[in-house]
Amino acid sequence: EIVLTQSPGTLSLSPGERATLSCRASQSVSSDYLAWYQQKPGQPPRLLIYGVSSRATGIPDRFSGSGSGTDFTLTISRLEPEDFAVYYCQEYGNSRSFGQGTKVEIK
Amino acid sequence: EVQLLESGGALVQPGGSLRLSCSASGFTFNNYAMSWVRQAPGKGLEWVSAITNSGGDTYHADSVKGRFTISRDNSKNTLYLEMNSLRAEDTAVYYCAKGNRPSRPYYFDYWGQGTLVIASS
Repeated sequence: EIVLTQSPGTLSLSPGERATLSCRASQSVSSDYLAWYQQKPGQPPRLLIYGVSSRATGIPDRFSGSGSGTDFTLTISRLEPEDFAVYYCQEYGNSRSFGQGTKVEIK
Repeated sequence: EVQLLESGGALVQPGGSLRLSCSASGFTFNNYAMSWVRQAPGKGLEWVSAITNSGGDTYHADSVKGRFTISRDNSKNTLYLEMNSLRAEDTAVYYCAKGNRPSRPYYFDYWGQGTLVIASS
């Protein structure tokens, strides 16, 4: 089973700032099967990114994904008030496992 | 519009059983794999079970293997999760999630609102 480790656990930033979230896999993720989800309190997760870097339908272009092998990054270029949430990465080619999440909070 | 509506969550004693349902609409249900993902209070996401579009193949996380069974009725556009021998650590919100393909590999492009299961005496 692939274990995903996200860092940092919490990111304290102000609106307008850039957010960089990391997801590291315990072994190489095959064929770029890496997704990112956003979850706000009391809501289900929402798909943001799939295939490492493809944005899901309706996701604004301030969200971008990158990486390969075992190291992946979700970048939010300029934080909007609605972007403060918890973000999870997921490997979906092998074990379907999720990372433990990164909370992006208002500084 | 894709809609996934879970039901069946309840307070149940440890050792008890429960069946969750997920009613799907807005897409051709029998074309897509489906999964259950859970989230314990204040914790992260944990994939629980998955089933291919036809129902021919099912998969379960080690934490629920032998206790939970996923199934689907494509004639009713409904996904199920039969939960037996429930433990306190099964307490969570259970989400129904739609895969983007009929079988692996797939990510989850739509999620239901979830149903709460509490295993406690």
